[in-house]
Amino acid sequence: AQSVTQPDIHITVSEGASLELRCNYSYGATPYLFWYVQSPGQGLQLLLKYFSGDTLVQGIKGFEAEFKRSQSSFNLRKPSVHWSDAAEYFCAVGAGNTDKLIFGTGTRLQVFP
Amino acid sequence: ETGVTQSPTHLIKTRGQQVTLRCSSQSGHNTVSWYQQALGQGPQFIFQYYREEENGRGNFPPRFSGLQFPNYSSELNVNALELDDSALYLCASSLGGALSTDTQYFGPGTRLTVL
Repeated sequence: AQSVTQPDIHITVSEGASLELRCNYSYGATPYLFWYVQSPGQGLQLLLKYFSGDTLVQGIKGFEAEFKRSQSSFNLRKPSVHWSDAAEYFCAVGAGNTDKLIFGTGTRLQVFP
Repeated sequence: ETGVTQSPTHLIKTRGQQVTLRCSSQSGHNTVSWYQQALGQGPQFIFQYYREEENGRGNFPPRFSGLQFPNYSSELNVNALELDDSALYLCASSLGGALSTDTQYFGPGTRLTVL
């Protein structure tokens, strides 16, 4: 069965520091992979997605993610975090012949000035 | 601005009651998906509608049902509410279709509290 694991429940970084959020997936075929961000009281906003091709994907707000098939990972990175990046981040895998998304449990990012 | 709206924003019901949540998709989007997000969890897929027909369902009982209308609006109905139904309910719209990889655009959600 498809699944997504986000091992870090809560991460705290200083503003200006680099960031890496981990995501591991389990899926039998070539996965469609997504990162979404959710601010308090808001819906989910797509940061980036991977379907095929270049394994390093660029997204909005300066985020990027790298697909590593051998590690079943799709980690999200940002070289310099801004205070406005504080939010909940969700990794998701697209499941087959619908638009169904399977989400991880999320990583809450806290940014200190 | 995703263009996906949901109503109401918040809702309080008591156990055993029925509730209807509404979603207005982006114009031209043929697919709407509904997700339940319990506190501290990631969203869980409830079901999806494509051109007014159910096109996939997650592990939710039949008391969760839906409708999609030609005007890009949709409803999620939950009968016989249980305490565990308390959650944020999200709808997402996309251009859609089988084997679609279209981006899903999420609404802000409806927070349902069951007492």
